[in-house]
Amino acid sequence: NAGVTQTPKFQVLKTGQSMTLQCAQDMNHEYMSWYRQDPGMGLRLIHYSVGAGITDQGEVPNGYNVSRSTTEDFPLRLLSAAPSQTSVYFCASSYSETAFFDITFGSGTRLTVV
Amino acid sequence: QQQVKQSPQSLIVQKGGISIINCAYENTAFDYFPWYQQFPGKGPALLIAIRPDVSEKKEGRFTISFNKSAKQFSLHIMDSQPGDSATYFCAARGSFGTGTRLKVLA
Repeated sequence: NAGVTQTPKFQVLKTGQSMTLQCAQDMNHEYMSWYRQDPGMGLRLIHYSVGAGITDQGEVPNGYNVSRSTTEDFPLRLLSAAPSQTSVYFCASSYSETAFFDITFGSGTRLTVV
Repeated sequence: QQQVKQSPQSLIVQKGGISIINCAYENTAFDYFPWYQQFPGKGPALLIAIRPDVSEKKEGRFTISFNKSAKQFSLHIMDSQPGDSATYFCAARGSFGTGTRLKVLA
């Protein structure tokens, strides 16, 4: 089925460890983004990309890196995990930066940092 | 800072009642106002959206009312059902509200 695929679905990390959250979409969408969802905070934008080779920071970028080598993939890297990064992470895509009405979300990755 | 402010944080409605969720925005350049619905363990999904050139849009039991002068828009769920129990987010230009957790009692 077409859509946004995130892996893993669940992950537990120790403080200081690094890891990569994977995200892939098969809809040929140019715009991809990462959000974190925390209770009472809604969805906050971490990083986004308007196309292959182009990335930019969102509202809460510290502690995260991204790259966009292909249109399909947009991995999110945690450099040195901290308990404050415990959250549910969603990858999303849309066909253009302005087409926010057409955002498709993945099913999420629940990350716990101990 | 929060570019869209959503209220209430939570809402409990009896089956058959009307659920109303409100959202206010600051940036007059926003040109599209969607609402997303999220069930537990799932990602948000687009529910309904409106452009600022109309004051109301209805899709089944879901209606968006838009007030451009007040910079507000709201989601109305008519004849609310237990299956509508979910978290609802308003959004504008990639900024999301903090969410409203709706519970519809059977």
